[in-house]
Amino acid sequence: EVQLVESGGGLVQPGRSMKLSCAASGFTFSNYGMAWVRQAPTKGLEWVATISYDGSSTYYRDSVKGRFTISRDNAKSTLYLQMNSLRSEDTATYYCTRDDYGSYFDYWGQGVMVTVSS
Amino acid sequence: DIQMTQSPPSLSASLGDKVTITCQASQNINKYIAWYQQKPGKAPGLLIHYTSTLVSGIPSRFSGSGSGRDYSFSISNVESEDIASYYCLQYDNSPYTFGAGTKLELK
Repeated sequence: EVQLVESGGGLVQPGRSMKLSCAASGFTFSNYGMAWVRQAPTKGLEWVATISYDGSSTYYRDSVKGRFTISRDNAKSTLYLQMNSLRSEDTATYYCTRDDYGSYFDYWGQGVMVTVSS
Repeated sequence: DIQMTQSPPSLSASLGDKVTITCQASQNINKYIAWYQQKPGKAPGLLIHYTSTLVSGIPSRFSGSGSGRDYSFSISNVESEDIASYYCLQYDNSPYTFGAGTKLELK
């Protein structure tokens, strides 16, 4: 059974940093691209970043470019999202998702809440 | 970026009804659209990909169709467990973009 379990969220002040982790199990992690998708409170879904199966390629939405870094450790089957210079508009539930060979997101974690507020 | 215009924003249905949600893309997305269901407090779950391919284990009362810029998602014989929000996703072009969602409620 595919499982994605996020951790690392919480309350952070504007301008500070936070790192999210996603532990994957139930599939060969190193064979799949992975992505982060977020959802602001009471709002819709928004793709944030994607990383290729081997970590050699990364993609970001414009609003997080230069502030967020997606990475992975295939030996640990873990995905990361380093978030710097956080803004109030980054407040959201962040979901770790599996990218089905460069297409849709087929499995999702339970999500982790990030609140950016002073 | 490709814009996905999803309608209606909300929908009220009785048990047993058929409901339809539409997504119009700002350009041709070559049938690369997926549909997700999200219940309150839960992560989205994939229902359909490539316009009409039902994910294993998803009931056949869910269906999708369309081509070019225009796509639809239907639930026939709405059941109480179908009460949720539904989102479309285009994955033809990066950045992948979602529709704004449709909240399905019981009449």
